Amino acid sequence: GNSVTQMEGPVTLSEEAFLTINCTYTATGYPSLFWYVQYPGEGLQLLLKATKADDKGSNKGFEATYRKETTSFHLEKGSVQVSDSAVYFCALRESGGSYIPTFGRGTSLIVHP
Amino acid sequence: EADIYQTPRYLVIGTGKKITLECSQTMGHDKMYWYQQDPGMELHLIHYSYGVNSTEKGDLSSESTVSRIRTEHFPLTLESARPSHTSQYLCASTGHNEKLFFGSGTQLSVL
Repeated sequence: GNSVTQMEGPVTLSEEAFLTINCTYTATGYPSLFWYVQYPGEGLQLLLKATKADDKGSNKGFEATYRKETTSFHLEKGSVQVSDSAVYFCALRESGGSYIPTFGRGTSLIVHP
Repeated sequence: EADIYQTPRYLVIGTGKKITLECSQTMGHDKMYWYQQDPGMELHLIHYSYGVNSTEKGDLSSESTVSRIRTEHFPLTLESARPSHTSQYLCASTGHNEKLFFGSGTQLSVL
């Protein structure tokens, strides 16, 4: 079956530090890959996505590249802000398969001033 | 941007009560989902629907039930609430572009 593995948190950084949150996946087909973000007290919202190998998704300074050879979709940001403090979820949906996405366990990011 | 609404945001009830958590979306999405989110943040799929009159159980065994009589409405019902049901419940929907839209959630506490 499909699975998504994320690095455990919390990840604690100072403002303007570089961020990487690792995500690897297992899928039997050719999935689309997603990063969702959940701010305190809210539901999840889509941050970025990539639908095929070597695609790069980007939004709000965050980036992630679909690496088929390493089955990875690591999230990066060059300079984090306090307002980026949230929980980040990596997810996949297999193309042509069911419409049920598979989520990782979430990684909490805490950014200090 | 999100046009998916959950009510109530917070609910505190006693054991044995029947409750219904509401979820509505105005985007005309066929596919809707209910997730239970534990304090460790992990999401567990408890129910989903691919359209009107279609409902399926998810990965997590749940004592709740759902209905889908109208495209825009996907309520979740607990016939007899227990303390083990205390959790955050998230509703989501999606159309053809794979993007999931989530509601703000209902935080349920059963005493």
